[in-house]
Amino acid sequence: GEDVEQSLFLSVREGDSSVINCTYTDSSSTYLYWYKQEPGAGLQLLTYIFSNMDMKQDQRLTVLLNKKDKHLSLRIADTQTGDSAIYFCAESMRDDKIIFGKGTRLHILP
Amino acid sequence: SQTIHQWPATLVQPVGSPLSLECTVEGTSNPNLYWYRQAAGRGLQLLFYSVGIGQISSEVPQNLSASRPQDRQFILSSKKLLLSDSGFYLCAWSVSHKNQPQHFGDGTRLSIL
Repeated sequence: GEDVEQSLFLSVREGDSSVINCTYTDSSSTYLYWYKQEPGAGLQLLTYIFSNMDMKQDQRLTVLLNKKDKHLSLRIADTQTGDSAIYFCAESMRDDKIIFGKGTRLHILP
Repeated sequence: SQTIHQWPATLVQPVGSPLSLECTVEGTSNPNLYWYRQAAGRGLQLLFYSVGIGQISSEVPQNLSASRPQDRQFILSSKKLLLSDSGFYLCAWSVSHKNQPQHFGDGTRLSIL
């Protein structure tokens, strides 16, 4: 069935790079997304990548897509305290739905 | 630019009481609309989605219902709330073409006593 898997927790020291990994199952997904959720708030679309790309960079964010392995990663360079949040990986489906992972909670160590 | 509004932000209701959560979108026409529930420490569960006025698809059988009385208005309702209905409810919209990203409201925290 359709599923998006990601680790639940990640701790990173301030100033280091954070890498959040995700695997998905539907090889026909057209778009893959990363969302950020701060405490008590809704989900904010961070970035997305089209399935025919293998990399997308946007300031401190780098998305890597390995379509063969159905693996997606989000790298945050120079991690700051404001990056502390839950990060959701998601894939688009053939209908109008998006399948979300359970989210990775990023904790920043001083 | 497009905006999405959800209210109320927080709600405390007794078991057995009714529920009405409202979501409106501005700055776009004929959006797809979605209701999700996020239980504590867990991912998102799609409850309902709508591709047009009066068109509602239910993803999970439950005591909740949804309605879309106007193009940019999506309402989540219940006649009698259960304890298990507690959670964080999120409304989202997307452009009405396939494979478009969804954009979320700020959510409603619902606590059932």
